[in-house]
Parts: sequence; structure tokens; C-alpha cells
Amino acid sequence: DAGITQSPRYKITETGRQVTLMCHQTWSHSYMFWYRQDLGHGLRLIYYSAAADITDKGEVPDGYVVSRSKTENFPLTLESATRSQTSVYFCASSVNANTGELFFGEGSRLTVL
Amino acid sequence: AQRVTQPEKLLSVFKGAPVELKCNYSYSGSPELFWYVQYSRQRLQLLLRHISRESIKGFTADLNKGETSFHLKKPFAQEEDSAMYYCALNVGYSTLTFGKGTMLLVSP
Repeated sequence: DAGITQSPRYKITETGRQVTLMCHQTWSHSYMFWYRQDLGHGLRLIYYSAAADITDKGEVPDGYVVSRSKTENFPLTLESATRSQTSVYFCASSVNANTGELFFGEGSRLTVL
Repeated sequence: AQRVTQPEKLLSVFKGAPVELKCNYSYSGSPELFWYVQYSRQRLQLLLRHISRESIKGFTADLNKGETSFHLKKPFAQEEDSAMYYCALNVGYSTLTFGKGTMLLVSP
């Protein structure tokens, strides 16, 4: 099925471990985004990417690393997970910079013990 | 700095009642605003954008630059409207700043 998919959908890990959340889209959208969703904070932008090999920080980038070697993939890595990174993570894509219409994945629920 | 404020965490109404979900923004540029909706067990999706001035599922939203508001309205709420609603501001390159969201519960 075409679209945007995230994996894993659920992940439990321990403090200090490295975790990578995957995001894959089949539309060849230029822009991709990572948001985290927390109660009381809504959605906050972690990182975004305008194209392959172009990434930029969002509102809450600390503790996260991204890469975009291919247009269709935008993995998010927590290098050393902390409890405060327990959250639901959403990947999204947009066809260009102007529409403001984002297409979201189903989310990845991460719990850091 | 840009900011989107949704003052209500929860809005509970009865079926058939009018609904208004409030959204205020702060932005130095020309605002481009959106409403996104997340139904239970579904993906977050675009509901409407101010520039298109359309009505989706009976919802409308008017950008009021004087009051810096973009409230979402529906004259007669339906049970299927129950969802989490997010107001969002495009701050450039399709990077959206979201409000904290308002949960709408429509009771029969």
C-alpha cells in the first residue's frame, strides 16, 4: 500500500539504550517531519527534512538524531534514551514547502523505563 | 516567536448543539492556518485550511487577523465529530506549529 508507514508501532526500552524509529513514504514527497505528541504539550516538531541529505532542527531536537540518505526514508534515533523521551512519535510528509498539508503516519509509541 | 493557543483542553457538548473550538495565534508574518483532526484509532489528518475557505464535514473556520483568531465552528454537532482537534500555523517550509489540542466529546 502506498503511503507513510512507521515502525515499530510500539517499543519499550531502557534508559541509556539507543533506539531508532523508522519512517518510510512511497509518495516521493520532498518534505518529511518528526513530531512528538505529549499530553499537555500537543505536537512538537523535533526535526524536519526538505530533501535527501538536508535536515534541520525543530522545536525540541535535543537527544535526537536524524538522517535522510534516501528521499523515502527518514529515521529518528534516540542515541541514549531518557524517561522524558517517553512519547508518541509521529512521522509526516508533505509534497512541498507551500501546502502546509502534512500526511501523518500512525505513530510509534515509545516507553523508556 | 510564533505560538498557537487552544484554551480548552476539553469541550463537551450534546448532539445537535453548536460547537466552537477556539484558536488564537501569534505570528509576525502573514499567517497560514489549519485545523487538523485525530479521530480515535485514526491518523492525524487535515480538516481544513483557511486559504481554501471551504466547509468540511460541516465545519468552517474564518481567519480574523484583527483578533488573531481562527476558531473552528459547526452549527450542529454530531457524535462522529468526537475527536482531538489541533489548530496549526505554517511557519515556513510546511513546518507547522501546533496548538496543544482540544478534545471534543459529543454526547447523544
